Amino acid sequence: RKEVEQDPGPFNVPEGATVAFNCTYSNSASQSFFWYRQDCRKEPKLLMSVYSSGNEDGRFTAQLNRASQYISLLIRDSKLSDSATYLCVLGGSSASKIIFGSGTRLSIRP
Amino acid sequence: NAGVTQTPKFQVLKTGQSMTLQCAQDMNHEYMSWYRQDPGMGLRLIHYSVGAGITDQGEVPNGYNVSRSTTEDFPLRLLSAAPSQTSVYFCASSYSVQGTEAFFGQGTRLTVV
Repeated sequence: RKEVEQDPGPFNVPEGATVAFNCTYSNSASQSFFWYRQDCRKEPKLLMSVYSSGNEDGRFTAQLNRASQYISLLIRDSKLSDSATYLCVLGGSSASKIIFGSGTRLSIRP
Repeated sequence: NAGVTQTPKFQVLKTGQSMTLQCAQDMNHEYMSWYRQDPGMGLRLIHYSVGAGITDQGEVPNGYNVSRSTTEDFPLRLLSAAPSQTSVYFCASSYSVQGTEAFFGQGTRLTVV
């Protein structure tokens, strides 16, 4: 089983829509969780950290469900500029390495 | 603050040639790693290091060597380039494995002909 699994998409949604992604992980010892964004032909960049209590940053909401071992990202009122690949990232497990999911592609259409 | 610097940005190699991709960070980060990303695919971990003098293999280490003689530098060496190594290579660093942001270099686009 992969350490991190994401639906690759692509998700193709109209501008203004709400879209949600999930990411499941297999190692219950994982201690830190993040969402990264990667634009075409660019390096990944941190979008937001994911806290146990859930956290929000403007139109973006991230949640962690330790019991079911998944994290989620919700994007409200999507913009054309949200088109990108979203990567879930895990750190701090016994594996001693940062683990990246393969990403979910999102395309926002006018 | 330079962050993570990768060189070169672009490289074309002939099959069988060797070369070193450079990665340097000036943030005193302990954790550094190398990934390759093929078109339309996710990041695949090649090698990583949790501190100077310590390296370990990732998911796809064959054909690559690394060393970590200093905290700042983490070069990736291609021993004998093959067309299958054509990819975009990213170096990343973070303060630690746990709970901190990873910073990426801008990538090296490598073509092996």
